[in-house]
Amino acid sequence: AQSVSQHNHHVILSEAASLELGCNYSYGGTVNLFWYVQYPGQHLQLLLKYFSGDPLVKGIKGFEAEFIKSKFSFNLRKPSVQWSDTAEYFCAVNPTNFGNEKLTFGTGTRLTIIP
Amino acid sequence: GAGVSQTPSNKVTEKGKYVELRCDPISGHTALYWYRQSLGQGPEFLIYFQGTGAADDSGLPNDRFFAVRPEGSVSTLKIQRTERGDSAVYLCASSLGLRVSNTQYFGPGTRLTVL
Repeated sequence: AQSVSQHNHHVILSEAASLELGCNYSYGGTVNLFWYVQYPGQHLQLLLKYFSGDPLVKGIKGFEAEFIKSKFSFNLRKPSVQWSDTAEYFCAVNPTNFGNEKLTFGTGTRLTIIP
Repeated sequence: GAGVSQTPSNKVTEKGKYVELRCDPISGHTALYWYRQSLGQGPEFLIYFQGTGAADDSGLPNDRFFAVRPEGSVSTLKIQRTERGDSAVYLCASSLGLRVSNTQYFGPGTRLTVL
């Protein structure tokens, strides 16, 4: 079975700092990869996704993520964070084999941005 | 358009009672998913419907948990003889159900507290 690791449990940054949140997965086959965000008091929202093609994917609000197959990683980045980026971020994986539709999530990273 | 809706938003019950949690997916979405999120964890897959049938129920923790989707739209998650360990946020998601566009859209969740 696949698993997802997010090693940063809580990250605290000042506004305008650069962000990188780690995500590693364990699965031998090809996968679809996702980052979801949960702002305080709101539901999970899709930030970006990777299905195939260019391993550098751009999402909403200036976020991007890079899929490095050799490292089984899909790290999330943003060059300059804002206070409004304070939220919980979840990485998720879904194997591409037919019939397997479920997402496996990491434990999440809580991001706090200090004004 | 309307997103995924879930009712109730909060449910408090006593140990041993029966509860039903409802999910109304995005109109036109054929796939529907249930996840459970415990405190400090990422969402964990419970069950997935394609249309009216449960395509994958491998995440249901035991036979106290059951879910239905009789008309291929609204789904109900049913928990019998609730236990304190069932306390969590129960999330519902829906998608178009097409492999190439397997983006899951989440509802706000139902927070279940078992006393």
